Amino acid sequence: GENVEQHPSTLSVQEGDSAVIKCTYSDSASNYFPWYKQELGKRPQLIIDIRSNVGEKKDQRIAVTLNKTAKHFSLHITETQPEDSAVYFCAASEIEGSARQLTFGSGTQLTVLP
Amino acid sequence: NAGVTQTPKFRVLKTGQSMTLLCAQDMNHEYMYWYRQDPGMGLRLIHYSVGEGTTAKGEVPDGYNVSRLKKQNFLLGLESAAPSQTSVYFCASSPGGSSYNEQFFGPGTRLTVL
Repeated sequence: GENVEQHPSTLSVQEGDSAVIKCTYSDSASNYFPWYKQELGKRPQLIIDIRSNVGEKKDQRIAVTLNKTAKHFSLHITETQPEDSAVYFCAASEIEGSARQLTFGSGTQLTVLP
Repeated sequence: NAGVTQTPKFRVLKTGQSMTLLCAQDMNHEYMYWYRQDPGMGLRLIHYSVGEGTTAKGEVPDGYNVSRLKKQNFLLGLESAAPSQTSVYFCASSPGGSSYNEQFFGPGTRLTVL
């Protein structure tokens, strides 16, 4: 089955700086890579996703890059703000799979220091 | 629309007791999932369903059973609770069909087994 590793487990940045979270996956059949944000005590919510037919996707201050050859993908947050503080999870899935199961990484606690 | 809802929000059980967690979605989604979330381990899939009347095992199914008698509901049962099942449980749903695998999460159930 799929295995997703996520680094770092904790990340502290100064407000206004950039943050980068990296994930690697093992199953070459995976072709859908979402990122979820989970604030303390809340449910995970999708913030951005990328499919294997593109190498990069941006949405305002958030971007995701994908390197299928190396089997890794990254989340980039620019101009960080205190409200970006949360746990971020990467995940991988095979879209055409019968259940489209997501395999999640172990999460990154991002703290944006004022 | 309420989205994905879970009942109850909190529960404390004694070892050996049984209980059922209810997940309901009003988005007419085909796929539904149960995850558990433990510190430092991300979200792990317990069981899932690709449609009414179907269920399948995920990564950590032991000690749990599920049923999906109605499309909008997905029940997770613990027949004989153990302290190792202390966790936060999240239900999720996704559209299925030809759409990508965005999963929408419920608010979670915090379960403590003494």
